[in-house]
Amino acid sequence: KAGVTQTPRYLIKTRGQQVTLSCSPISGHRSVSWYQQTPGQGLQFLFEYFSETQRNKGNFPGRFSGRQFSNSRSEMNVSTLELGDSALYLCASSDSLTDTQYFGPGTRLTVL
Amino acid sequence: GEDVEQSLFLSVREGDSSVINCTYTDSSSTYLYWYKQEPGAGLQLLTYIFSNMDMKQDQRLTVLLNKKDKHLSLRIADTQTGDSAIYFCAETSGNNRLAFGKGNQVVVIP
Repeated sequence: KAGVTQTPRYLIKTRGQQVTLSCSPISGHRSVSWYQQTPGQGLQFLFEYFSETQRNKGNFPGRFSGRQFSNSRSEMNVSTLELGDSALYLCASSDSLTDTQYFGPGTRLTVL
Repeated sequence: GEDVEQSLFLSVREGDSSVINCTYTDSSSTYLYWYKQEPGAGLQLLTYIFSNMDMKQDQRLTVLLNKKDKHLSLRIADTQTGDSAIYFCAETSGNNRLAFGKGNQVVVIP
């Protein structure tokens, strides 16, 4: 099976802009989770989607949002970008049996 | 809540064993995981252990779990240069939300 894929791999934006990141889960996986990784805060949970519904949410402002499509692909959106949003955004998918999360390569977002 | 702690840095000679430690606070954790992250890459799942197990061995990897002390360790036997990476432990209480430690950088010296 192909692994989790994320596009784009790298993004450069300026403050105030918005950005959309995409994640395609492993075939058959219905859960997609998003994490933010920064040197200062480490890995932090953003949200999880299952069957097109947000099932869990972390402690991030409303500027961070996401959605999941009927084919389980997911997107996350960050509006009104701030310098502190510069990070590696990781997506993970899991199956219903084990809930073990498999990660994609990440999208490196740089906000200037 | 979940709070996972790891030490930050480990240097080891090629061929020796590496031991990485982790403590966690959520006693309701059901699964505990070890992930590996190489530079510029995502997280690679190495192994996991269910909370009712004490030990799990998978080739060069041995995971030990001490539930009483909430202590998790990963031993890598015969450490290779390709094992140089950052290692994260993570826990979940079954809500599909992983809580990660800050990671432990392992540097393998040839």
